[in-house]
This record gives sequence, C-alpha cells and structure tokens, in this order.
Amino acid sequence: DADVTQTPRNRITKTGKRIMLECSQTKGHDRMYWYRQDPGLGLRLIYYSFDVKDINKGEISDGYSVSRQAQAKFSLSLESAIPNQTALYFCATSVLGRGGYEQYFGPGTRLTVT
Amino acid sequence: GQNIDQPTEMTATEGAIVQINCTYQTSGFNGLFWYQQHAGEAPTFLSYNVLDGLEEKGRFSSFLSRSKGYSYLLLKELQMKDSASYLCAVRDKNYGQNFVFGPGTRLSVLP
Repeated sequence: DADVTQTPRNRITKTGKRIMLECSQTKGHDRMYWYRQDPGLGLRLIYYSFDVKDINKGEISDGYSVSRQAQAKFSLSLESAIPNQTALYFCATSVLGRGGYEQYFGPGTRLTVT
Repeated sequence: GQNIDQPTEMTATEGAIVQINCTYQTSGFNGLFWYQQHAGEAPTFLSYNVLDGLEEKGRFSSFLSRSKGYSYLLLKELQMKDSASYLCAVRDKNYGQNFVFGPGTRLSVLP
C-alpha cells in the first residue's frame, strides 16, 4: 500500500463549484504540504502544516483553504473553483532523516476547472 | 526572494553521461535537493547536499558550491528509464524552512 494517498486522482469540475482534495499518510510524519504543479513553473507551495494545530500559508494560498483533521489527514479545499486553478496537485509529507527534510509525495490529483 | 534556474530541456544518448545544472539565489540556504519525476507521476527523492562537494549514489551524483549558488546532478551510464524531469529544490530558512522548487529539466534519453 502507498504511504501517501490522494483522492480523487482525477477531477473535472465547473467554475464556481466547491471541491475538496484529500490526502492521507501512513508514514507517521508530522509535516504535511500541498503543492500545485503547472508546466514551466515547477512545484509551488499552497499550504503547509507542521502538526495538527499548526497551519501556514505558502506562496500561493489565495483561493484555497486547508484542514488538518488528524496527524494522518490533510485536506485542500477550493471554495469557488476557477479555470486558472486547473493544475496537478500534490500532497507531501516530511520528516528529518539522512536526507535532511526529505519530502515524500503522493501520486497527485489532476484537477480541471471548466 | 528565491530564484532557481535550470535548463528547460536536455537530450542525451543511452550509455552517455549528462550533467544538469541548477543555480539559486537566497540568503537563507539550508540544503539542496534533487528529485526525479516521470511524466504524470509523483517526484521521488534522488539526493541531498548541504555542504560543498560531491555526493555519489550509484549512477547519480550531485555537487554543491554554496559560494557560487550552484549545483549539478550528474547521471552516468544513461538508461532509457532515466527519461524524466529533474527538479532542483532549495530548503530556505527565509521561507519557513520550506522547499522552493526550480521549474525542472526535462531529460530525453535516446537510443
């Protein structure tokens, strides 16, 4: 079983709809992250959480919100989706190890807003 | 702010050696990471440098020069499965100790 899972894997929605992307992990890591990836722009940080009571905005948080329901679950919401939120979304976890704070990524959610 | 540059695309031949460069600018440098990402898949960790010098891991090596704000990923004995994007990321104290990713370099390995 995968250590970091994301649901759904693909989603097509319409402008103005509310949508939630979910992330679960079995790695026991405290730190969790949401990124979006757009062609030519690399991965950009939306929100991050260092523990259940700690939520922080990343580089591009406008139009998004998050919820850390438990150590293992971190959800990303788009309150009113717009077409420029069409992207590939990744959840990640991290912990201090030999590779510094190496990040472990989920498989991604491909979101299309029409 | 943080600025990370990588070449957009590179092409190499199976069995050859390729070097992918990455330059960065930040006053809060706290480690440089390389990730591999196959099309449509999640990035996977390749290497980590926090001190100057070369880190070797099998066919992959990564080099860092903090004074020059420069790193490279060296891939030897290229295989077709190495065709992927390679992401350079800097962990930045000025950014909450989070990662800032470069745009990625798409490598195509030809037979």
